[in-house]
Amino acid sequence: GENVEQHPSTLSVQEGDSAVIKCTYSDSASNYFPWYKQELGKRPQLIIDIRSNVGEKKDQRIAVTLNKTAKHFSLHITETQPEDSAVYFCAAFSYSNYQLIWGAGTKLIIKP
Amino acid sequence: EAGVAQSPRYKIIEKRQSVAFWCNPISGHATLYWYQQILGQGPKLLIQFQNNGVVDDSQLPKDRFSAERLKGVDSTLKIQPAKLEDSAVYLCASSVETGTTNEQFFGPGTRLTVL
Repeated sequence: GENVEQHPSTLSVQEGDSAVIKCTYSDSASNYFPWYKQELGKRPQLIIDIRSNVGEKKDQRIAVTLNKTAKHFSLHITETQPEDSAVYFCAAFSYSNYQLIWGAGTKLIIKP
Repeated sequence: EAGVAQSPRYKIIEKRQSVAFWCNPISGHATLYWYQQILGQGPKLLIQFQNNGVVDDSQLPKDRFSAERLKGVDSTLKIQPAKLEDSAVYLCASSVETGTTNEQFFGPGTRLTVL
């Protein structure tokens, strides 16, 4: 089955700098990769997603890149702001069991 | 549109007691998910329904956990008897349908503490 690994587990960046979170997946049949943001005590919310027919997708300050050959995808946040502080989860949709397989999460800390 | 509703928001019980959680998905969403999220970890899927049928329950501890979605709309998740390690947030989510890659919308969760 699918396995998703996410790094780093904690990332601390200066406000205004960029942050990059990386994930790898194992199932080459996976073709949908969402990123969820979970603020402390709140529910996960989708912030961006990418499908396997696209290599990059951007939405204002966030972007996601996908390398199907290497089976990894990354979240990029530019010009980080205090409200970006949260736990970010990557996930991969597995057609073997129609499940969304989640990474372990990255705690992003934005230092003022 | 109204979001995913869950109740209760918080529950404290003693080990070996029973507890039930309720979820009402977004209207028209055929797929409903129950996740367990232990502090500091990602959500772990317990069970996935498509309408009133079970798509996947491979990670549901069936000796103590049960779930149903009898009319294909709202759902209940029960734990009987509870153990200390069941302390977690139980998240319900819904999406338009299984087999697609549609967004999952999460409810606010139920925080369970087992003493």
